[in-house]
Amino acid sequence: AQKVTQAQTEISVVEKEDVTLDCVYETRDTTYYLFWYKQPPSGELVFLIRRNSFDEQNEISGRYSWNFQKSTSSFNFTITASQVVDSAVYFCALSENKAAGNKLTFGGGTRVLVKP
Amino acid sequence: EPEVTQTPSHQVTQMGQEVILRCVPISNHLYFYWYRQILGQKVEFLVSFYNNEISEKSEIFDDQFSVERPDGSNFTLKIRSTKLEDSAMYFCASNRGDYNEQFFGPGTRLTVL
Repeated sequence: AQKVTQAQTEISVVEKEDVTLDCVYETRDTTYYLFWYKQPPSGELVFLIRRNSFDEQNEISGRYSWNFQKSTSSFNFTITASQVVDSAVYFCALSENKAAGNKLTFGGGTRVLVKP
Repeated sequence: EPEVTQTPSHQVTQMGQEVILRCVPISNHLYFYWYRQILGQKVEFLVSFYNNEISEKSEIFDDQFSVERPDGSNFTLKIRSTKLEDSAMYFCASNRGDYNEQFFGPGTRLTVL
């Protein structure tokens, strides 16, 4: 069975500080996909990034970057130079390799509060 | 930009009543999903739907729940006899292929009194 753990329940930072969100996952599959979603106070779920298990190259996209380490089953996410608009709950999610309709298994979320 | 839409945004119902939550997925997407999020908790998978049939469902998705794609655009979730514990935000999602990101609708907040 797949499982996603986000140990940090809440992080509070001052604007312009960097924020790193931890995510640890469990899966028996060798091929899987990892995602980060953002849930702002308005409640919708916004897709941020996707990574597949066979590509461990870490990337940067604007102020977002991620660190995928298969050896430790971690998929951490960093917001650089945080802004007040980054205040939200961030969810890490895992999708396994199945025939059809790959469900997402979400972690418990990390609430990020960016203070001005 | 195409998006997933859901109606209503908020539904209040009495315990034991039937509710239907509606979703219009992105038009060229093939896979459809329902998730729920009890207030303050994580997002939980309910069911996935592909090629006009359920492809996977969770333990939460018991006989009280059903899904349907009655026409080429709508995707509905029906709860036959609501319970207090069904109160949650229900999200519809779609994607164009198995391994792509799922795009979520804005959610329907269901309140069961």
